[in-house]
Amino acid sequence: SQELEQSPQSLIVQEGKNLTINCTSSKTLYGLYWYKQKYGEGLIFLMMLQKGGEEKSHEKITAKLDEKKQQSSLHITASQPSHAGIYLCGAELTGSNYKLTFGKGTLLTVNP
Amino acid sequence: DTAVSQTPKYLVTQMGNDKSIKCEQNLGHDTMYWYKQDSKKFLKIMFSYNNKELIINETVPNRFSPKSPDKAHLNLHINSLELGDSAVYFCASSQGGPGNGETQYFGPGTRLLVL
Repeated sequence: SQELEQSPQSLIVQEGKNLTINCTSSKTLYGLYWYKQKYGEGLIFLMMLQKGGEEKSHEKITAKLDEKKQQSSLHITASQPSHAGIYLCGAELTGSNYKLTFGKGTLLTVNP
Repeated sequence: DTAVSQTPKYLVTQMGNDKSIKCEQNLGHDTMYWYKQDSKKFLKIMFSYNNKELIINETVPNRFSPKSPDKAHLNLHINSLELGDSAVYFCASSQGGPGNGETQYFGPGTRLLVL
């Protein structure tokens, strides 16, 4: 089974709608990273969360870390076509020798 | 100003060939990584070097050999390419090693197709 589960696997929304992507770990998290990937491009770093309850925002994207649930959520407000892409969560997990483990990603499509 | 660059961007080759992918970072980082993203988009670490020393070596066939001539470069050489090696290979770098809350910055990827 996956150490990092992302949900949903894919998401289609109308422009202007809000959406949430979740990332849940089966192990203790030491650091949680959100990246965005567009086809033909590398991973673009969005945010990093380390402490339980931590919340960070960048433009219309907000990420939170719930340490107790070992989960992070990424929330996009008033989505735009430019938000489309694959969102990947990565985490440093206990027992993984601090390697960055990634989820399978969430494919986001924003229809104009 | 490219932070992490990879060459080539696309690589199409025949089974059995030997090929290399190059990676360079101009961020002054000490640690570099190679990841493989398979057809299911699953991204998994292969190797990590810190100041030219190997620190992470996942279960990867020994046909894959990373080489770090200096801390700004980490190249990946693949011998006897197989169909299953087809994937996107990403290079990344970070200031410190993994486990220190260091953000990894990724290159654009090299799309390898083995025929």
